[in-house]
Amino acid sequence: EADIYQTPRYLVIGTGKKITLECSQTMGHDKMYWYQQDPGMELHLIHYSYGVNSTEKGDLSSESTVSRIRTEHFPLTLESARPSHTSQYLCASSSRGPDTQYFGPGTRLTVL
Amino acid sequence: AQSVTQPDIHITVSEGASLELRCNYSYGATPYLFWYVQSPGQGLQLLLKYFSGDTLVQGIKGFEAEFKRSQSSFNLRKPSVHWSDAAEYFCAVGISSGSARQLTFGSGTQLTVLP
Repeated sequence: EADIYQTPRYLVIGTGKKITLECSQTMGHDKMYWYQQDPGMELHLIHYSYGVNSTEKGDLSSESTVSRIRTEHFPLTLESARPSHTSQYLCASSSRGPDTQYFGPGTRLTVL
Repeated sequence: AQSVTQPDIHITVSEGASLELRCNYSYGATPYLFWYVQSPGQGLQLLLKYFSGDTLVQGIKGFEAEFKRSQSSFNLRKPSVHWSDAAEYFCAVGISSGSARQLTFGSGTQLTVLP
């Protein structure tokens, strides 16, 4: 099973601040994903990457951006946080082939 | 477009009772199917998956699921529920989109276990 880490686990921040949510995996997986999940709701894909220097937007429109400079690292950035960004953000990774996605513990973001 | 339906938003069972969580999918081809469990404030943990072959798959924590193509279903079962099984359960279908295989999740079923 993949080891996948997210920091911070909890973040409370004021409107207008720039934030970066970190996600790292140690299994050498090519593919990485960011999901957004509101309380009691399903997960929605907001970004994914199938390798270094490759990123795509997911099904749910998001004002966040991502980068993939290293295989193991897939950070998500919000240039100017707003209360509507309050949610849980889950990172996942998978290998090639019939891939199974493995999830990190999530970052719960609150924007005041 | 693919979709996943979990018709039960919330299920309550007594400890030791059997459990079945329903999942129906809509997809043009044979999908890859998954069940995940999420404890409060945590990420998702994979319970089991179906790619091909035997339609009855075994997972962790004593869970199993059966793929029924004719019913487009992938129901999760456990013969005897433990209090620690209380959590939210998500069914997901894997589809291919370009070079990345994406997951579409159901809305989840919240399981409460009574002592």
